[in-house]
Amino acid sequence: LAKTTQPISMDSYEGQEVNITCSHNNIATNDYITWYQQFPSQGPRFIIQGYKTKVTNEVASLFIPADRKSSTLSLPRVSLSDTAVYYCLAHSGSARQLTFGSGTQLTVLP
Amino acid sequence: ETGVTQTPRHLVMGMTNKKSLKCEQHLGHNAMYWYKQSAKKPLELMFVYNFKEQTENNSVPSRFSPECPNSSHLFLHLHTLQPEDSALYLCASSQEPHFPGQGLYGYTFGSGTRLTVV
Repeated sequence: LAKTTQPISMDSYEGQEVNITCSHNNIATNDYITWYQQFPSQGPRFIIQGYKTKVTNEVASLFIPADRKSSTLSLPRVSLSDTAVYYCLAHSGSARQLTFGSGTQLTVLP
Repeated sequence: ETGVTQTPRHLVMGMTNKKSLKCEQHLGHNAMYWYKQSAKKPLELMFVYNFKEQTENNSVPSRFSPECPNSSHLFLHLHTLQPEDSALYLCASSQEPHFPGQGLYGYTFGSGTRLTVV
């Protein structure tokens, strides 16, 4: 399980695009990157997963450069309901457990 | 509804009580997990079950006792807890192993049980 580093907190305003960058310098060839979202008093919820280049779904985009040492979660036009903690994980498919760091507390302001 | 159901959602218990937390998943996953999340702290992995067999026990005190009777159900039996055990207890499930590019979606978490020990 590669160690990841992400900002502790970020603030944004409604309607803006938010980019949260995660560093994973020691990522292994078999590792892929997964992002989760957690609201207070709820379990984390899967947002997006990728291995390289760009992945987009109905919620977010994930940008992974060629060296894969970092990744950026992009949330388009955030709303107040996007206020949550966002976790970045880099792990292999055969990982027996996921370890969550402190995540990034995103606060969306009106 | 995530497909992982935890009951009860809230629990208040005294230090001498015995209670159990229940987790049920209908996703066909073969691995289940208990996590603890204390206020303002990261999630801490407690136990891992793979094909009903416990594969990880992350130095959890014996006052927490897991049980996995089948791959769809997971229990956490609690006894003689301390106030510092008050936390959000989360259950998760996944299909293991999985590999990049297969479009799998990682772990699915339940909504948790908010436990308060008085």
